[in-house]
Amino acid sequence: NAGVMQNPRHLVRRRGQEARLRCSPMKGHSHVYWYRQLPEEGLKFMVYLQKENIIDESGMPKERFSAEFPKEGPSILRIQQVVRGDSAAYFCASSRNDRGANTEAFFGQGTRLTVV
Amino acid sequence: QKEVEQNSGPLSVPEGAIASLNCTYSDRGSQSFFWYRQYSGKSPELIMFIYSNGDKEDGRFTAQLNKASQYVSLLIRDSQPSDSATYLCAVNMDYNAGNMLTFGGGTRLMVKP
Repeated sequence: NAGVMQNPRHLVRRRGQEARLRCSPMKGHSHVYWYRQLPEEGLKFMVYLQKENIIDESGMPKERFSAEFPKEGPSILRIQQVVRGDSAAYFCASSRNDRGANTEAFFGQGTRLTVV
Repeated sequence: QKEVEQNSGPLSVPEGAIASLNCTYSDRGSQSFFWYRQYSGKSPELIMFIYSNGDKEDGRFTAQLNKASQYVSLLIRDSQPSDSATYLCAVNMDYNAGNMLTFGGGTRLMVKP
């Protein structure tokens, strides 16, 4: 009965490198959400995906950031040319449904990205 | 700007007391409301959710929702030191677009033995 699985748990990148964060939703969940938590701040919504579709990316920076949720495999949040300001905890959440019952979102353990 | 507001705290209560955490939200059309607990350096853990006006109880936790006044609260009875954490209020403000959540900044609760 695995929960939301994220890897890696910790990621260190030098400025200008690429960061790839992976998220496997809970079994039976087809809705994936990515959130970012800057140090000492609250969680901010970034992007909402279903299989092979980006539903809402209104919270994601227009440049350098992209997300996907392919038919097979985990959802991936990709940050190109990382800068120090990208250092944060990135959390993935999943839910069974997006409306009605069973919309509760459960969070993974997060990936803590440090840009040096 | 759609917002969720919480008092950042810290809220300090003695062990065994009732802790009362409050949250207000700006979007009157919001449909669903969630309380998460987050220990330092850990991920948010879902405690309760509430959709309808009134109270919802689960063990030592009671969520209260008042849509007319646009506030939601969490009561923790018989507070324990292990309840010391940051409590995040989250609101789904756009029912038609999935369950994207707008989070408050969190209230830090300290339960003193």
